[in-house]
Amino acid sequence: DVQMTQSPSPLSASVGDRITISCRANTSISTYLNWYSQKPGKAPKLLIYLTSTLQSGVPSRFSGSGSGTDFTLTISSLQPEDFATYYCQQGHSTPFTFGQGTRLEIK
Amino acid sequence: QLQLQESGPGLVKPSETLSLTCTVSGGSIGTANYYWDWIRQSPGKGLEWIGNIYYSGSTYYNPSLKSRVTMSIDTSKNQLSLKLNSVTAADTAVYYCGRHLVKNNWFDPWGQGTLVTVSS
Repeated sequence: DVQMTQSPSPLSASVGDRITISCRANTSISTYLNWYSQKPGKAPKLLIYLTSTLQSGVPSRFSGSGSGTDFTLTISSLQPEDFATYYCQQGHSTPFTFGQGTRLEIK
Repeated sequence: QLQLQESGPGLVKPSETLSLTCTVSGGSIGTANYYWDWIRQSPGKGLEWIGNIYYSGSTYYNPSLKSRVTMSIDTSKNQLSLKLNSVTAADTAVYYCGRHLVKNNWFDPWGQGTLVTVSS
C-alpha cells in the first residue's frame, strides 16, 4: 500500500495568514493526489484533485502543487471558515490511502 | 444534485456482522462510468478505504479487509450495501459511502456517514 504522511499536525494560525500543509507519499504517485477538508461531525469534502485542480465552488485562495512524492496544500489568506482538518489521498493505485490529517486550529 | 445516505444499526456485537445500506437520490447508480465506494473513519486508523462496487456488481476490496467484506448493489432500489463480518472493537468507526468516476480516483460526493459501535 502507498503510505501517505502529512505534516504538521496540528497547525496553529490566524485569520489572514498564509499556510502550507505538506503531504508525502512513500513511493511516486505522479500527480494522483487529492485534498479534502473536514469539519467536526461532517463528511470530508473534496477541495482539490489531481494535485492542483480546484473542485467547483472552492475559493481561489486554495491551491495545490507537487508531483512524485511531495505535495503541498496552500491557503493564501486564512478565513474563519477554513479552520478544519485537511486530508490528502492518493489515487494512483489501489487500495486508495489517506494521510492522517492536519488539524488547522486558530492561534 | 446527487445525495447519498447511509443507514443501519448503530451498535453491533463483537463477532457479529455489520450491515449498512447507502441510499442514493438525485441520480441512478445503474449507470456506467462510476464506482461506488465505502470508506470508514476511526480515531485509531483515520480514513480507510474499504472498497468499491461497479453498477455491474464487480467489486474491489481493500486487501486488509477482503476476507470479511461483501458489497452489493441493487439498481432497482438505487441502493448499495456493505457487510462486514466477524467484527471487533477495531471496526468501530463512522462509515461513509461515496462515489468516484472511473479513472478519476477521488471521492465526491460523500454521504453524511453513520457511526457504528462494536460492543457487547
